[in-house]
Amino acid sequence: DAKTTQPTSMDCAEGRAANLPCNHSTISGNEYVYWYRQIHSQGPQYIIHGLKNNETNEMASLIITEDRKSSTLILPHATLRDTAVYYCIVRPSSYNQGGKLIFGQGTELSVKP
Amino acid sequence: GAVVSQHPSWVICKSGTSVKIECRSLDFQATTMFWYRQFPKQSLMLMATSNEGSKATYEQGVEKDKFLINHASLTLSTLTVTSAHPEDSSFYICSARDGSLADYNEQFFGPGTRLTVL
Repeated sequence: DAKTTQPTSMDCAEGRAANLPCNHSTISGNEYVYWYRQIHSQGPQYIIHGLKNNETNEMASLIITEDRKSSTLILPHATLRDTAVYYCIVRPSSYNQGGKLIFGQGTELSVKP
Repeated sequence: GAVVSQHPSWVICKSGTSVKIECRSLDFQATTMFWYRQFPKQSLMLMATSNEGSKATYEQGVEKDKFLINHASLTLSTLTVTSAHPEDSSFYICSARDGSLADYNEQFFGPGTRLTVL
């Protein structure tokens, strides 16, 4: 599986945009970029995923570079409830490749008032 | 979104006893379920993958005789920690894959079970 590199921790002011980077320089052509987050003592929560194009949903935006070697998750208006560990994961798209999610260390985002 | 539940949410047991944790998909059929373990301040570690009606596939280093996984129906998988010891104390999380979705890899996570072995 392709590995990802994320900063260990980040701070963000409440109401501002939180930009969380992720490097995945060895990503393969059939691998998607997924983002999950885990609030303390809860199960991970799906945020967003993408292959090549930028994606946006009600939670966040995902910006993937043209060479696909890195991406940025954007929380447009961070709130205190967005404080969590954010995981960037690359995984193959094929059902037959098992669908396993391999979690790295993630980025601990602290949103401060 | 799809809902996955776990029971119990927390459990305390004595060393040497066995503990069963249930993972249920409430509104979809889960052809595949995954079990993770998470120690404090660490990331999730995949323990095993279970497919309905077949034996689980364990990740390297995970003892299959200690962590018994049963996926007897499309909505229920169980993880039994046998002869639990204090070092098995951890946060156990399951996820389930909805085989009917166009994105076959979509996974939904349970809320986790906190196991403390005294």
